[in-house]
Amino acid sequence: GAVVSQHPSWVICKSGTSVKIECRSLDFQATTMFWYRQFPKQSLMLMATSNEGSKATYEQGVEKDKFLINHASLTLSTLTVTSAHPEDSSFYICSARDSPQPQHFGDGTRLSIL
Amino acid sequence: RKEVEQDPGPFNVPEGATVAFNCTYSNSASQSFFWYRQDCRKEPKLLMSVYSSGNEDGRFTAQLNRASQYISLLIRDSKLSDSATYLCVVNFNNNDMRFGAGTRLTVKP
Repeated sequence: GAVVSQHPSWVICKSGTSVKIECRSLDFQATTMFWYRQFPKQSLMLMATSNEGSKATYEQGVEKDKFLINHASLTLSTLTVTSAHPEDSSFYICSARDSPQPQHFGDGTRLSIL
Repeated sequence: RKEVEQDPGPFNVPEGATVAFNCTYSNSASQSFFWYRQDCRKEPKLLMSVYSSGNEDGRFTAQLNRASQYISLLIRDSKLSDSATYLCVVNFNNNDMRFGAGTRLTVKP
């Protein structure tokens, strides 16, 4: 089946650090990738949608200068959390889709900012 | 009305029970529908797509009712390993994927 790899799976770093998360589709070309955030016991919250080669579309309330998304190729998207603070600690999950197929999720990145 | 609405549960059922989840959606033009399961502290995994004619995969049956704008998931002969949160996902338009908040299922011995 379709495989999406996300790296790193766990990050612990100091406040003020920028953190980059990679999302790769391993066995298919992803026309679209999605970035989500999930706080404990809450549902997934879509942060942004990105199509290869174009700027990401951010959901309302998500700061584009804070969460930088690059979708440089059909198999790779990156999310950079700039100057992360403790309130940015969360579970970040990417997904990838080759429309009209269903989206497949990476195994998530647990981000802890001290 | 919420865009995609699910009963949050929790559903607590004994092993071997049959359990059904419903999900309603607000956009009548939605074209594709999916059920995902998410285990605690893990990413969602695709359980099955939902087709207009209904579809079955082992103990799992999914159905779509376009007139009433709901989809359902039926799990027969529940196993302990079915314990998870089940997410209803509706593709409103192209890549506009909307998630329900999830229904939590606990299967007990």
